[in-house]
Amino acid sequence: EIVLTQSPGTLSLSPGERATLSCRASQSVSTSFLAWYQQKPGQAPRLLMYATSSRATGIPARFSGSGSGTDFTLTISRLEPEDFALYYCQQYGSSPSPMYTFGQGTKVEIK
Amino acid sequence: EVQLVESGGGLVKPGGSLRLSCAASGFSFFNYVMNWVRQAPGKGLEWVSSVSSSSGSTYYADSVRGRFTISRDTAKNSLFLQMNSLRAEDTAVYYCVRSPGWSFDFWGQGTLVTVSS
Repeated sequence: EIVLTQSPGTLSLSPGERATLSCRASQSVSTSFLAWYQQKPGQAPRLLMYATSSRATGIPARFSGSGSGTDFTLTISRLEPEDFALYYCQQYGSSPSPMYTFGQGTKVEIK
Repeated sequence: EVQLVESGGGLVKPGGSLRLSCAASGFSFFNYVMNWVRQAPGKGLEWVSSVSSSSGSTYYADSVRGRFTISRDTAKNSLFLQMNSLRAEDTAVYYCVRSPGWSFDFWGQGTLVTVSS
């Protein structure tokens, strides 16, 4: 089973600053199988990025994703007030059987 | 508009059973893999189970295999999760989630399952 480790656990930044969130996998992950989600308190998660670098419908261009192999990054170029939330990475694996795993999350909080 | 509405959550004693339902609308339900993902209070996300578009294949997390059964009724655009032998650690919000591929693009608002004596 592939384990995803997100860092940092908490990111304290000010609106307008750049946020860089890391997701490291215990084994190589296909770029097609890596996604990112945003979750706000009391709400369901929302898909941000799929296939590492493709933005989901309606996601603003300040969100971008990159990476390959075992290291993946979600970048928010300039933080807006509504971006302060929890972020999870997720991967799909097919061995020995199809399954999905999530990272433990990174909280982006207002400094 | 895509909508996923879960129901069936509640309080159940350890060892008990519960059946969750998810009513889907606004998209071609039969074309998509459907899933259950849960989130324990104050914790992260955990994938629980998936069912293929044809219902021919089902998949489970190790933590629930042998106790939970996922199914779908394409005629009624509905997804189900039969949960047996429930444990305290199954306490969570359970989300019904759509998969277009290898990610989860639409989530319901969730239904809370509490396992406690």
